[in-house]
Amino acid sequence: ETGVTQTPRHLVMGMTNKKSLKCEQHLGHNAMYWYKQSAKKPLELMFVYNFKEQTENNSVPSRFSPECPNSSHLFLHLHTLQPEDSALYLCASSQALAGGVDFGPGTRLTVT
Amino acid sequence: QQQVKQSPQSLIVQKGGISIINCAYENTAFDYFPWYQQFPGKGPALLIAIRPDVSEKKEGRFTISFNKSAKQFSLHIMDSQPGDSATYFCAAMVETSGSRLTFGEGTQLTVNP
Repeated sequence: ETGVTQTPRHLVMGMTNKKSLKCEQHLGHNAMYWYKQSAKKPLELMFVYNFKEQTENNSVPSRFSPECPNSSHLFLHLHTLQPEDSALYLCASSQALAGGVDFGPGTRLTVT
Repeated sequence: QQQVKQSPQSLIVQKGGISIINCAYENTAFDYFPWYQQFPGKGPALLIAIRPDVSEKKEGRFTISFNKSAKQFSLHIMDSQPGDSATYFCAAMVETSGSRLTFGEGTQLTVNP
């Protein structure tokens, strides 16, 4: 596997379910991110991890809980989501303090 | 507050034509300006980027023009092809504070054959 991989690619969950999104980067990067992409809106940065330490939480509701066990893996744990949380969730990685980020293919989440 | 404004929202161009997408920013501390290309079902992919020490950067058919005084930058796609049909995002960041990109709203480009 190369680049940034995400699983699952598609997820449908009820409002009372608990699920997790998984991301793995094979680029040797130190920083990892979760972004939310909704229709007609700019990409929204949710969380930033640098060397496994969370450095940013952009006022994300607590029903989203990130976990970064090491520099290559990132999880987003989901519980009691709302229908408005339906979106494409993108994982990304970069060399700390470097330029652009490399994105994964995203997980298309639908909350029913 | 939207710090990077992108226009147009959608653009239709004939094959062989020039596609132009514009972005304006507010934060004068921004020092790295990438453009991302996103195809349906895929994550955004870095296309080309510029830093404010130059006014133009060209890679193949893709050119970024940068106007620091006007706080604007644009993407030009020369000889546009149907395979260029995608959504394009401009972005900006302050590199010294880490890779926290601020994205524009995106432009959906359609290149007709």
